[in-house]
Amino acid sequence: NAGVTQTPKFRVLKTGQSMTLLCAQDMNHEYMYWYRQDPGMGLRLIHYSVGEGTTAKGEVPDGYNVSRLKKQNFLLGLESAAPSQTSVYFCASSRGRAPDGYTFGSGTRLTVV
Amino acid sequence: AQSVAQPEDQVNVAEGNPLTVKCTYSVSGNPYLFWYVQYPNRGLQFLLKYITGDNLVKGSYGFEAEFNKSQTSFHLKKPSALVSDSALYFCAVRDIPKAAGNKLTFGGGTRVLVKP
Repeated sequence: NAGVTQTPKFRVLKTGQSMTLLCAQDMNHEYMYWYRQDPGMGLRLIHYSVGEGTTAKGEVPDGYNVSRLKKQNFLLGLESAAPSQTSVYFCASSRGRAPDGYTFGSGTRLTVV
Repeated sequence: AQSVAQPEDQVNVAEGNPLTVKCTYSVSGNPYLFWYVQYPNRGLQFLLKYITGDNLVKGSYGFEAEFNKSQTSFHLKKPSALVSDSALYFCAVRDIPKAAGNKLTFGGGTRVLVKP
């Protein structure tokens, strides 16, 4: 039972490069989320999705785009990476309106130089 | 808007002593409250949650938390800390039913260091 899987685990980008982070869940969860974790700032929500084909902005969406073409996958894209996007990125999923917490992936450590 | 505060960046405790990690929250409705733990280079793991009912909630690894509505607090506790409890702890809140998308808001985290 894999839960939530994030790829890649580590990545170094040059300023201006683009990349896509992949999140896959095998729990048939409706809702999926992308957070970034920065020292002293906790986790901040970037984008989220309440179902296949839907996405919505979170707290810090600028510079990121997302897509949810399949229920089990949630992609986070950086079109033109900036040093300020150096962070650890976590994907999470939940069943939906049920009073559940999230299941988290193990994270992607991204460094933009 | 929903928010969470964890007033302590770090808590130091000797092994075998009681451990408390503080959390206060702000919501406009009723809250769902959660605690997560993060070990180095790992994702967040669920510890426990408060939904409704008994104010004292028991969770994984011997942790418990007490919901106090009047003080808007949800402090995490463990009667006897272990060195292996050293980790980063996050409190999170969801405002029922106003939080669209089941969104959780997380506190800044509290690092716990248990010394032998």
